[in-house]
Amino acid sequence: TQLLEQSPQFLSIQEGENLTVYCNSSSVFSSLQWYRQEPGEGPVLLVTVVTGGEVKKLKRLTFQFGDARKDSSLHITAAQPGDTGLYLCAAENRDDKIIFGKGTRLHILP
Amino acid sequence: DAGVTQSPTHLIKTRGQQVTLRCSPKSGHDTVSWYQQALGQGPQFIFQYYEEEERQRGNFPDRFSGHQFPNYSSELNVNALLLGDSALYLCASSPIAGGPSQYFGPGTRLTVT
Repeated sequence: TQLLEQSPQFLSIQEGENLTVYCNSSSVFSSLQWYRQEPGEGPVLLVTVVTGGEVKKLKRLTFQFGDARKDSSLHITAAQPGDTGLYLCAAENRDDKIIFGKGTRLHILP
Repeated sequence: DAGVTQSPTHLIKTRGQQVTLRCSPKSGHDTVSWYQQALGQGPQFIFQYYEEEERQRGNFPDRFSGHQFPNYSSELNVNALLLGDSALYLCASSPIAGGPSQYFGPGTRLTVT
């Protein structure tokens, strides 16, 4: 079974601090997506990474796809309360079905 | 440009009843996928529709069925509701069948009592 393991499950930090969350698997994926979901809403696509070693930046968010395309990280610089939410990674498995990790619930304290 | 819309927003049903949830995809998208998200979990893939056919299916029983209409909108039907069916049901659309990037609607919160 192909799984996406996200860590940490929960993270609570002060505004202004930096943080990194991870998405790991033993499987190789052709692409990987990161989403942010706020309570009562659907996930919002942040980025898709395709190439091993690829780095994409979205303002204060930096996404990296592992060289072997098995893992990914999301780094947030100078976190702000608006970054609070559930961060989900997703990828297409070998059956072309999208699978999601359980997410990292991030809370930024003002 | 309207994004993905879902109706209703919230729904309360009793065990054994049947429910129909509706989704309109983002303009220009022809593929619709449905997900179930239990509290504290990531979304779980139910099935995907393309060209009015079920293209892929996740690990859900036959009580879960769907339909896609010629205008690409879609319905999710759940029969013989169980308490465990209580969840947020998400619809996602994508522009190309099988494309990895999806755009989600706000979801329908189903509570089964």
